[in-house]
Amino acid sequence: KNEVEQSPQNLTAQEGEFITINCSYSVGISALHWLQQHPGGGIVSLFMLSSGKKKHGRLIATINIQEKHSSLHITASHPRDSAVYICAVQIQGAQKLVFGQGTRLTINP
Amino acid sequence: EPEVTQTPSHQVTQMGQEVILRCVPISNHLYFYWYRQILGQKVEFLVSFYNNEISEKSEIFDDQFSVERPDGSNFTLKIRSTKLEDSAMYFCASSATHGGVRFFGPGTRLTVL
Repeated sequence: KNEVEQSPQNLTAQEGEFITINCSYSVGISALHWLQQHPGGGIVSLFMLSSGKKKHGRLIATINIQEKHSSLHITASHPRDSAVYICAVQIQGAQKLVFGQGTRLTINP
Repeated sequence: EPEVTQTPSHQVTQMGQEVILRCVPISNHLYFYWYRQILGQKVEFLVSFYNNEISEKSEIFDDQFSVERPDGSNFTLKIRSTKLEDSAMYFCASSATHGGVRFFGPGTRLTVL
């Protein structure tokens, strides 16, 4: 069983739609990261959170530690948001990140 | 804006050859990492490095792999005798604090023939 599971694996939506990507994990963590991977392969860190909610522009990330679940929301989605979104957890007491398989998001104009 | 750089962007090598992948982390960062991503698969942790020594490594990081910070700026990953299954994108990352936000480099695509 994977320690980090994301859903959906693929998501296609129309421009302007509200997007939600989910991440569930089964291990004790000290933090959870949301990353964005562009078609060229580069990885950008979007959020690191250990509790509650964070917001940056049109992106919102939430985490529920008790339920071992996090969500990434994108409001007013735009074609430039098309990318792979990756959830990664930092194992408690370690520096290791364990990655989910990613969610491929495509926003059509 | 400071960024992590990696060279080369693409390396092609023959099986059994040694390769060195280079990274320049962000200058005031203290924690350094290597990850790899085999095509179509998820990103995997290889190793973390702090204070001139390995602080953690995965089961992938066997005796064929080594890391080094040869000077004040570079951070290298050496694969001693490459195998076909080492073909992957290798990402270097750095963070300012223990477990802090990772800043990733653009990656080196390694192709082993």
